[in-house]
Amino acid sequence: DTAVSQTPKYLVTQMGNDKSIKCEQNLGHDTMYWYKQDSKKFLKIMFSYNNKELIINETVPNRFSPKSPDKAHLNLHINSLELGDSAVYFCASSQDQGTLNTGELFFGEGSRLTVL
Amino acid sequence: AQSVAQPEDQVNVAEGNPLTVKCTYSVSGNPYLFWYVQYPNRGLQFLLKYITGDNLVKGSYGFEAEFNKSQTSFHLKKPSALVSDSALYFCASINTNAGKSTFGDGTTLTVKP
Repeated sequence: DTAVSQTPKYLVTQMGNDKSIKCEQNLGHDTMYWYKQDSKKFLKIMFSYNNKELIINETVPNRFSPKSPDKAHLNLHINSLELGDSAVYFCASSQDQGTLNTGELFFGEGSRLTVL
Repeated sequence: AQSVAQPEDQVNVAEGNPLTVKCTYSVSGNPYLFWYVQYPNRGLQFLLKYITGDNLVKGSYGFEAEFNKSQTSFHLKKPSALVSDSALYFCASINTNAGKSTFGDGTTLTVKP
């Protein structure tokens, strides 16, 4: 069974469209994340949720809206797509270690978004 | 503020030789440091982490890392490289209160037969 799964794996769309990427983890972890990896392979955190509550919201345009219906799912919706949104988006999860969050990240396989 | 730096974009080694991928850190408070590996078109995989305790940390696939507080370094090492170790390696630190991981820019390791 895949621990962190995201769909779709590939997404090609036109500028101005709205699209969603879904993520599910079956590890029972408390915290889920969205990361963006650009064409130079740099990784940047976008959002994190802990038990459905938004914890981290980096300086991401308002066009990006995460939604966590339960602690096993974290979806990413993107409105009015722009060329610069083309990237690989990774979902990840981690388990809190007591009161500290020192758990390693478990990543999905990525969703490659191409905006034309 | 938390940051990690990977000073080398690329590391090339011959199969069978030892390898080192460098990482230095700048964190406030206790450092919590990680190494991840990314194979082409795959997600990142956890290799090892330093939280506390022994400075030499052993991880997956025969990798280990040495935490050096005086040099603020956390270099990844392997005694004998394999061609299959060729991949992109990321060092990361974590802000434990916010749960936010900060990644280095990555180092591409190429092991030649």
